[in-house]
Amino acid sequence: KNEVEQSPQNLTAQEGEFITINCSYSVGISALHWLQQHPGGGIVSLFMLSSGKKKHGRLIATINIQEKHSSLHITASHPRDSAVYICAVAGGGADGLTFGKGTHLIIQP
Amino acid sequence: NAGVTQTPKFRVLKTGQSMTLLCAQDMNHEYMYWYRQDPGMGLRLIHYSVGEGTTAKGEVPDGYNVSRLKKQNFLLGLESAAPSQTSVYFCASSYTTGGYVLSNQPQHFGDGTRLSIL
Repeated sequence: KNEVEQSPQNLTAQEGEFITINCSYSVGISALHWLQQHPGGGIVSLFMLSSGKKKHGRLIATINIQEKHSSLHITASHPRDSAVYICAVAGGGADGLTFGKGTHLIIQP
Repeated sequence: NAGVTQTPKFRVLKTGQSMTLLCAQDMNHEYMYWYRQDPGMGLRLIHYSVGEGTTAKGEVPDGYNVSRLKKQNFLLGLESAAPSQTSVYFCASSYTTGGYVLSNQPQHFGDGTRLSIL
């Protein structure tokens, strides 16, 4: 079973700061997902990547397959970015994802 | 286009009662999943389905049953609810192109069902 570790567990930052959330996993994967869960509870898929880097607006996700590590970066953070960010890995089969415990991010004005 | 819809959104049960959670998706996705989310833990897979009429156990299947009689619906049943099943339940679905790489598609999540068992 893949072990997925995220750090930090909690992060409070000021508006405008550059944010980095890390994810490491123990077993080789076919893809890694970054998800966002807002206080209302809904979960939204941000990125799915298997190599390299992806960018969407102020969000950037990178993955190093050899190191079994991924990072999610937020540039020019804003209070609306406050949410729980969840890393999840896919093993290549149909049996869903293995999730990290999430990083609770608060951006203060 | 509603995406993934879960009903109900909230429910309180007494120990021993039964209920069914409904997940419906209108994206013609083959794969559907039921997860539970508990404080301090990541989401955990309960059961999943790779197509109409097929289901399989996930990481924490005990105490739950599922059915996928129609492609668009995935039902999660609790036959005899226990306090340990108090949780937030999420349904998700994903597209597949077929072939070996089956879970490398984004998963679309419902808004969750908050279930309390007293």
